[in-house]
Formats: sequence, structure tokens, C-alpha cells
Amino acid sequence: DVVMTQSPLSLPVTLGQPASISCRSSQSLVYSDGNTYLSWFQQRPGRSPRRLIYKVSNRDSRVPDRFSGSGSGTDFTLKISRVEAEDVGIYYCMQGIQWPRTFGQGTKLE
Amino acid sequence: EVQVLESGGGLLQPGGSLRLSCTVSGFSFTTNDMSWFRQAPGKGLEWVSSISASGDKTFYADSVKGRFTISRDNSKNTLLLQMNSLRAEDTALYYCTRGTSHPGDWGQGTLVTVSS
Repeated sequence: DVVMTQSPLSLPVTLGQPASISCRSSQSLVYSDGNTYLSWFQQRPGRSPRRLIYKVSNRDSRVPDRFSGSGSGTDFTLKISRVEAEDVGIYYCMQGIQWPRTFGQGTKLE
Repeated sequence: EVQVLESGGGLLQPGGSLRLSCTVSGFSFTTNDMSWFRQAPGKGLEWVSSISASGDKTFYADSVKGRFTISRDNSKNTLLLQMNSLRAEDTALYYCTRGTSHPGDWGQGTLVTVSS
């Protein structure tokens, strides 16, 4: 199985300041079609997960542009340029290249 | 507007069976692969099962293989998850999603509790 490792697991933040979460995979997430299947999800307290980013850097519609994804191969990063109160929650990365699909442990933004 | 609605959860004893349903609207169900994920209380996200758009390919996590069966009724825009031989560790909120490689459009989930 592809192991996804996030860091940090807890991220204290200050409103208006940037934040960054790292995700590392145990294998390259580049698929034979040339795409890299790494996604980021946000889960606010008491809410369903919501996809923020897919294929490393593609932001979903209605996701604020303060969220950005980057990386390649096995190393990926989710950045929030200026943290807002509504960003509090748990963030997960997920690989979609191999079965079983696997998630990182989650990073709690608080 | 995309809508994903799971149903069928409940409380049951170990060894029991349950069938979850997911009805969708707002996108073409028949051309999309679909998946089930779950989240145990206070835990992270876990992939459970996926099915191709036509229903000819299915995939399962090792933890549910042989006990759960995913299927779909494209005429009714419905995704199903038949769960047999349920265990306490299957207790979770079960989510239906569009897609498998980078699942979007998550529902609100349906809670399955397995307890004696």
C-alpha cells in the first residue's frame, strides 16, 4: 500500500498569517497517463470532507484562491496564504494512483 | 447543483447485515466512477470500495473484502453498498462520493453503528 505521511499533525496558526502542510508518499504518484493523483481535502468540525485541490495543484471551484497546492513525485504541499477563521479543521491528503486509496493521518489546523 | 444523499445506516449487532444507498443528482451518474469512504468516530478517512461507471469493475479495501459488495443501478442514479458479517470495527460514518482517483462531491454520510 502507498503510505501517505503528513506533517505537522497539529498546526497552530494565527489569523492572517500563512500556513503550510506537507504530505509525502511512499511511492511516486505519477500515473501512466502523466497525471499525478494527489488530492487535498478539508474537513471542518462536524462537516463532511470537501475536496480543495486535485491533481496536485488544481483548485476546486468555490475554493478561495488563498489555498494552493504544489509538489511532484512523492513530495507535496498545501499552502494557505492568509489563514481565516473558517479554515479551522482537519486537512487530509490522498493518493489516487493505486488500490487501496490511502490518506494521510490528517493535520489539525487550530 | 450537485446533490449526494446517503441513507440506510443504523444500529445493529455484530454479524448483522445492512444495505446503504446513495442517490445523486446534478451530474451524469452513468459516466462517473463512484466510491464509498468511511470515518470511524474521532478517526481519519478510510477508503472502502469503488465501482466503475459501467459497474463492470469493483475494488475493495482488504478490511471489507468478502463481506461488502458495491453495486450501482444506473437507471436510478443509485449507488449501493451491501454490508454483511458486520463487525464493531465497521462502526463509522459512511460517505458516498463521485470519482475514485480524486473524489469530489461528498454526501453528508450515513452512520453505521455495530454494537451488542
